[in-house]
Amino acid sequence: DADVTQTPRNRITKTGKRIMLECSQTKGHDRMYWYRQDPGLGLQLIYYSFDVKDINKGEISDGYSVSRQAQAKFSLSLESAIPNQTALYFCATSSPELHNEQFFGPGTRLTVL
Amino acid sequence: GQQVMQIPQYQHVQEGEDFTTYCNSSTTLSNIQWYKQRPGGHPVFLIQLVKSGEVKKQKRLTFQFGEAKKNSSLHITATQTTDVGTYFCADPGGHDYKLSFGAGTTVTVRA
Repeated sequence: DADVTQTPRNRITKTGKRIMLECSQTKGHDRMYWYRQDPGLGLQLIYYSFDVKDINKGEISDGYSVSRQAQAKFSLSLESAIPNQTALYFCATSSPELHNEQFFGPGTRLTVL
Repeated sequence: GQQVMQIPQYQHVQEGEDFTTYCNSSTTLSNIQWYKQRPGGHPVFLIQLVKSGEVKKQKRLTFQFGEAKKNSSLHITATQTTDVGTYFCADPGGHDYKLSFGAGTTVTVRA
């Protein structure tokens, strides 16, 4: 959905570099999520946030951190990238008024060399 | 969230044929969601099932929630090339609203 945007869309970096992935939404949703997708593994939850000052770890938070700067923005950081963090990363938003249906951004393809 | 298992992982279908993909959980689900991801795209919500034994249809897609709320299925009739993609089931979990996704069924269609 164009209402959820991610930048960059593609990124190639080197081992040890710090990387930040940005997510912005205009849907007015309080809940935001970061997932990574690897072939054959579906989507795994990294972090999620229900409000500006709320941060929660997901299934695979090690090696990642997040910041919820505003209701509309949720950024994901890799403090020191490693090759097994090469994956497709999705941001998503949801609202309890919509049965928690999740709206995904277009994804960021990250390659760590 | 609890883990949901999807089978099969891959489904190769002749155009015009029907197929079914299944989602299973070892524990009772409060509800279940289905998403579709087209090749190169992002997951898009299809439907949510809440009630035991619930059946919902969207054109050629039929979604069902098991009586015990431990399994769900997606049946597609008369498969078309537009059905290509990966179909995920997801357990929304409890009050924390964290989606736990199955590994997905990737569908390819032979014309």
